[in-house]
Amino acid sequence: AAGVIQSPRHLIKEKRETATLKCYPIPRHDTVYWYQQGPGQDPQFLISFYEKMQSDKGSIPDRFSAQQFSDYHSELNMSSLELGDSALYFCASSPRQGPYNEQFFGPGTRLTVL
Amino acid sequence: AQKITQTQPGMFVQEKEAVTLDCTYDTSDQSYGLFWYKQPSSGEMIFLIYQGSYDEQNATEGRYSLNFQKARKSANLVISASQLGDSAMYFCAMREGRLHASGGSYIPTFGRGTSLIVHP
Repeated sequence: AAGVIQSPRHLIKEKRETATLKCYPIPRHDTVYWYQQGPGQDPQFLISFYEKMQSDKGSIPDRFSAQQFSDYHSELNMSSLELGDSALYFCASSPRQGPYNEQFFGPGTRLTVL
Repeated sequence: AQKITQTQPGMFVQEKEAVTLDCTYDTSDQSYGLFWYKQPSSGEMIFLIYQGSYDEQNATEGRYSLNFQKARKSANLVISASQLGDSAMYFCAMREGRLHASGGSYIPTFGRGTSLIVHP
């Protein structure tokens, strides 16, 4: 079965640089979520999209932005990177009509800011 | 206030034994869902099991079962016949509210996780 795809899997950036993370949800899933998980932390919700519109917003810094495209893939854009942005970034997708709105997580992108 | 509490930062279990990972939650909603995820050292988040607040029977999925005690607001994960590959972080999460016809995302809140180590 198809799973959530994230790219790149690993990314190393310098402070003040920008980064773009990509997420390809499971086919026919129209809701996408972004999470940030710091070392030893639980996942923190950043932002979500439903049918290409922003649905909910969590603890996403102003330096970050995200969007969902017509093919339902999503991109998280991160600018002016800081050391504290080093984390595992997860994308998850879910089908709106799912019986319990289960989220299927991608493998994550591990971002290291030097 | 913490919505999901996992009081065990670490647990050890002998291979082939059963282990219970604790999770308590806090909500005033009548309709909610409880999830357990497994996160191995490789980092991916793997969905294990779900329990809805209106489900009368405890959820089971293979070796995983959820001990749902609504009055106590607890949703403990029971892993039977532990295997070495069960060593991982385990997160309990809760989704509050109903799924509306207009969609919406129903963001789960995660607990801090429990690190499980299975000994041979």
